[in-house]
Amino acid sequence: KQEVTQIPAALSVPEGENLVLNCSFTDSAIYNLQWFRQDPGKGLTSLLLIQSSQREQTSGRLNASLDKSSGRSTLYIAASQPGDSATYLCAVRRGDSSYKLIFGSGTRLLVRP
Amino acid sequence: EAQVTQNPRYLITVTGKKLTVTCSQNMNHEYMSWYRQDPGLGLRQIYYSMNVEVTDKGDVPEGYKVSRKEKRNFPLILESPSPNQTSLYFCASSRPGQGGNEQYFGPGTRLTVT
Repeated sequence: KQEVTQIPAALSVPEGENLVLNCSFTDSAIYNLQWFRQDPGKGLTSLLLIQSSQREQTSGRLNASLDKSSGRSTLYIAASQPGDSATYLCAVRRGDSSYKLIFGSGTRLLVRP
Repeated sequence: EAQVTQNPRYLITVTGKKLTVTCSQNMNHEYMSWYRQDPGLGLRQIYYSMNVEVTDKGDVPEGYKVSRKEKRNFPLILESPSPNQTSLYFCASSRPGQGGNEQYFGPGTRLTVT
């Protein structure tokens, strides 16, 4: 059974700091991995999608990496800003036909001005 | 603007009173899905649909029904809501096949059943 874990559960950093959020999964037979951002009481905004054949994806100040063999993904945020404060969720899609996403419990990020 | 919309956004109801939460997407996506999000349990899939008239159970389907009569709409039906269905509900859509299969989520529906 696929399990997705995110560490740390919460993180507080000063503005301007570079930071790394971690995501690990137990079954390497994934189709892709997606990082989301969720603001309090709001929906999920897709940040980056990494296919199983890819090693990393970049969008602006965000860079996500994927190491399938070790069951790990990282989300790197450069030069953090208070507006980056949110909960970050990673989700893996299984390699079957269900298209189901299995989510981690998230990392709650606070960027202090 | 490409989006997934849900209605209502907030709903307070009583046990046993049937309700429907609507979901609509304007991206011509074949795949749609419903999730619920609960503290400590994360997001869990309720039902999904691969195309019109094709639906299947997710991890927590008990107490829910869905239908997919049109490609753009995927309503979630609670025939007899109970307090344990109090949750934050999200609809998602995606286009199967090559190209990433990125999933797009609606803004959520916060349901309280008393």
